[in-house]
Amino acid sequence: NAGVTQTPKFRILKIGQSMTLQCAQDMNHNYMYWYRQDPGMGLKLIYYSVGAGITDKGEVPNGYNVSRSTTEDFPLRLELAAPSQTSVYFCASRGLGEKLFFGSGTQLSVL
Amino acid sequence: DQQVKQNSPSLSVQEGRISILNCDYTNSMFDYFLWYKKYPAEGPTFLISISSIKDKNEDGRFTVFLNKSAKHLSLHIVPSQPGDSAVYFCAASVRANTDKLIFGTGTRLQVFP
Repeated sequence: NAGVTQTPKFRILKIGQSMTLQCAQDMNHNYMYWYRQDPGMGLKLIYYSVGAGITDKGEVPNGYNVSRSTTEDFPLRLELAAPSQTSVYFCASRGLGEKLFFGSGTQLSVL
Repeated sequence: DQQVKQNSPSLSVQEGRISILNCDYTNSMFDYFLWYKKYPAEGPTFLISISSIKDKNEDGRFTVFLNKSAKHLSLHIVPSQPGDSAVYFCAASVRANTDKLIFGTGTRLQVFP
């Protein structure tokens, strides 16, 4: 029972590089989210999606892009990595209730 | 502007005793509150929730209390166990817009034998 799967678990990027953080869920949830967690801070919402083809900005969307072509997948794209994007990234999904199911996270360092 | 605050970054409790984790919020529109638990190198997992129409919700060893007039909620764990050692996040939303969940900064609970 996989739930929400995130890849990679760790990544180091150089300033200006780009990468895609992958997120997949097998629970047929319509709602999917990307959060970032900085040290000593709570989780901040980057982007979310209420279904395939529909995405919207959260609190901290600058520097990121998302797409949702299928119900299962919700990749997060960093186009020009900056040190301020060093963080732990969590993907989550939700069914009809309010409870979020989180992946195990991607730890990203931009040097 | 931190709308959900957990003012205690850490808490240490002896096994078998009660753990009380506190959370304050500023937005009076919040009407749904959740607690998540997070172990190192894992994602947060849902623990318990409460709607603003209630002032208490219980699930086994975990009870959440809501004081709307004080804009305060607390999570009680009784009895505390070493496996409860984790970071606990409080989160709040306006139920009509649960996509905009606001998280607190977390409290690290350590339960020692």
